[in-house]
Amino acid sequence: QVQLQESGPGLVKPSETLSLTCSVSGGSINSYYWNWIRQPPGKGLEWIAYISYSATTNYNPSLKSRVTLSVDTSKNQFSLKLSSVTAADTAVYYCARGYSYGHPGIFDYWGQGALVTVSS
Amino acid sequence: DIVMTQSPDSLAVSLGERATINCKSSQSVLYSSNNKNYLGWYQQKPGQPPKLLIYWASTRESGVPDRFSGSGSGTDFTLTISSLQAEDVAVYYCHQHYTFPYTFGQGTKLEIK
Repeated sequence: QVQLQESGPGLVKPSETLSLTCSVSGGSINSYYWNWIRQPPGKGLEWIAYISYSATTNYNPSLKSRVTLSVDTSKNQFSLKLSSVTAADTAVYYCARGYSYGHPGIFDYWGQGALVTVSS
Repeated sequence: DIVMTQSPDSLAVSLGERATINCKSSQSVLYSSNNKNYLGWYQQKPGQPPKLLIYWASTRESGVPDRFSGSGSGTDFTLTISSLQAEDVAVYYCHQHYTFPYTFGQGTKLEIK
């Protein structure tokens, strides 16, 4: 059974960089696309970006200038960095797998989510 | 960006009755070359991540009960729960992956009447 687990600081100061890692277990990171999706408290879902096992990336233009993705196939992990954060970036951040059904945008496995609060 | 608009925002249905959630996209998500609608439905229960229910607009994910079905094409889609069970209380989201950025509907909260 594939499992995804987000990890990283739960509190980030304004103007600093949010960093999260998603660890994949029960399956290989190869041959899939790995997405980040966030959800502000009590609100809807926003797709942030994806990275493939071969480091192909695609970003939401609204966040592209602040987002950096990376993948470490040897550790079966991928990571998100979001710079210059503000209170508007406070959200639960999910990692999710894509491409099981032939498209990166079909998310069949999700992590439990990591709440990141931006506050001084 | 493609705007996904769901209706209603909330819905209360009696146990055993049918629940219908609608989703409209601001432009077609039907890819003509393969005749597939790039539209999925997700269920999110409180404190949990979203769960894939339906992909390609009408294909049920493995393990999803057959009371859940998806229909529609182009810009108009429907998620139907044929006989509501207590465990179906959740927020439901439609999602397009036809073009970047991928976008979600605002969600429909389904409750028991």
